[in-house]
Amino acid sequence: SALTQPASVSGSPGQSITLSCTGASSDVGTYKHVSWYQQYPDTAPKLLIYGDDRRPSGVSDRFSGSKSGNTASLTISGLQAEDEADYYCCAFSGGETFLWVFGGGTKVTVL
Amino acid sequence: EVQLVESGGGVVRPGGSLRLSCAASGYIFDDYGVHWVRQAPGKGLEWVSSINHIGDRATYADSVRGRFTISRDSAKKSLYLQMNSLRAEDTAFYYCVRWSGNYPIYFFDYWGQGTLVIVSS
Repeated sequence: SALTQPASVSGSPGQSITLSCTGASSDVGTYKHVSWYQQYPDTAPKLLIYGDDRRPSGVSDRFSGSKSGNTASLTISGLQAEDEADYYCCAFSGGETFLWVFGGGTKVTVL
Repeated sequence: EVQLVESGGGVVRPGGSLRLSCAASGYIFDDYGVHWVRQAPGKGLEWVSSINHIGDRATYADSVRGRFTISRDSAKKSLYLQMNSLRAEDTAFYYCVRWSGNYPIYFFDYWGQGTLVIVSS
């Protein structure tokens, strides 16, 4: 993937964890805004964050996004058992190409 | 309620063709572009193709360009993906996804449940 995510991140209930999404040197600077998706097994993904740090209505405020340089981040605060899922970042290429790329995904485990 | 319902998946031999369909409802179809995103079993998400709301701009991932064709029919409120020269690596769940936002902040806000394509001899 053009976007690199850690394969797994774990945390205990109540903790905060941060998932990273790193582009190649020219990537996330080249790619435009990042969105994040949550996916439970055998279900379709769900939008969590768009425009790097914007949260759609209905998404818990325990989820927050940010971006600095080539790295976007998703922070889950007050970790809960229901947060155990796969998380994917996605970036839009911008310019004239109109392409999108996903990161490889991070499996979050709640200990 | 926005709904995207895919159909047309199945088993096809390498080199064969398949046409996926996606029926949209619950929103003004002509106001939104649509994407296809796929996921091989047990693997991550891969963006495949997009078509804008007018239907005059289609883009493709390198892995499918020249083999897949995306199209839409406003009268039927449907999206299509014609897949030719299929390969084993095209085996995946294919999701129909609504394209939302304004340039350059784009995102996928509604997803179908997916249809499974298996390419195997």
